[in-house]
This record gives sequence, structure tokens and C-alpha cells, in this order.
Amino acid sequence: DGGITQSPKYLFRKEGQNVTLSCEQNLNHDAMYWYRQDPGQGLRLIYYSQIVNDFQKGDIAEGYSVSREKKESFPLTVTSAQKNPTAFYLCASKVDGSGANVLTFGAGSRLTVL
Amino acid sequence: DAKTTQPPSMDCAEGRAANLPCNHSTISGNEYVYWYRQIHSQGPQYIIHGLKNNETNEMASLIITEDRKSSTLILPHATLRDTAVYYCIALGHGANSKLTFGKGITLSVRP
Repeated sequence: DGGITQSPKYLFRKEGQNVTLSCEQNLNHDAMYWYRQDPGQGLRLIYYSQIVNDFQKGDIAEGYSVSREKKESFPLTVTSAQKNPTAFYLCASKVDGSGANVLTFGAGSRLTVL
Repeated sequence: DAKTTQPPSMDCAEGRAANLPCNHSTISGNEYVYWYRQIHSQGPQYIIHGLKNNETNEMASLIITEDRKSSTLILPHATLRDTAVYYCIALGHGANSKLTFGKGITLSVRP
């Protein structure tokens, strides 16, 4: 079945450590997105990529970095510069960057900073 | 992107229709109305979208007023599994359109 796989599902890290969240899709979608969700809040866009080797900052990119070396992969690194990284992180994709906004989401990764 | 306004919560009885309202009074002519839902601790799920005509699929119906300033998502026979947060978003298509989610409306389906 086609879909988006995020890993790990749960992650704990100590302050000052970088951590990388994986996002892999086998839908052959061009565009991929990373969102952050805090308790009781909506989703905020961190980074997005419309094509391989290209990505743009979203609304809350500070303290995060991404890469898009392969079409199917869009990993997110939460760096030590992110002041409040504890959150639920969601990866999504859609067929192409310019079409209808029908996104497929992964199951999410929950990051807790100890 | 047009701002949307949704009440924070509503409930309905299992088996009855759930009518979820959304106001988007500043929507522009090329912006679509999208609905997604998020079941607790899962990723959001696309439900339906429309421009000005009413739309129906296997999950729901979308009714958009003639002036396009508001819309209603209808779940015809709500089940307990429909308990979720429902997001209404007004957004155009194209490379510069980025989907963002507000707080949505929490629908509680009671037995």
C-alpha cells in the first residue's frame, strides 16, 4: 500500500542534542511538507519542498533544517537552536506543488525533550 | 489566504447527521474550501474540497453558500469513529499556496 512512513513514532532527547526525524513516501509525490503541532493547537508549517534538491522555509523554520536529496525522502533535523522542540511532528506529501491541496499525512513523530 | 472561523466544538448523536459550519467571508474567487479531520494523535485526513458547487464523496458532503462566504460539512450518519477535530481551510491552488491549519472544530459523537 502506498503511504507515508514516519519514524521514530516516539523520541526522547536531552537538551542540546540534535535529532533527525525520518519521512519516507512511496506515493511518487513531488511535494513534501513538515508540520509541527503543539497540544490543543493547529498545525504550523516548518519547511516544504516542491521538488528534489529544493525546499523553502515555512512559518516556523528557525531551529530546524531539512534536505531533499531523493524524491521519496524528506528528513527533518531538530537542532539545539530550537528553543522549545517538544511537539508532535507531521510529515505530508501531495502529487505536485501546484495542484490541489490534497495532502497525505504520516502518522507523526512525538518528540519530547527531557 | 482567506481566514476561516469555526466554533470550537459541537456534538451530535450517533446515527444522526453532523453539520459542521465554517465562515470564510473574505474568500476570494480562486480560493477553494478544504476540509480535513484529525483523529486524536493521528495525522490529518483529507475529506473534501470545493470551489462553488456543492460536492459529495464517500465520506461527506460540502455545501457552499451562493455568496461563498460560508460552508457546511455534512457527515450524513455520524458514528463514534467520526469523533475528531475538523479543519476548514480556504486556499487557492498553485505553487505558492501552503496549507496551514487553525484550531478547527472538535466534533464529539455521543452514543
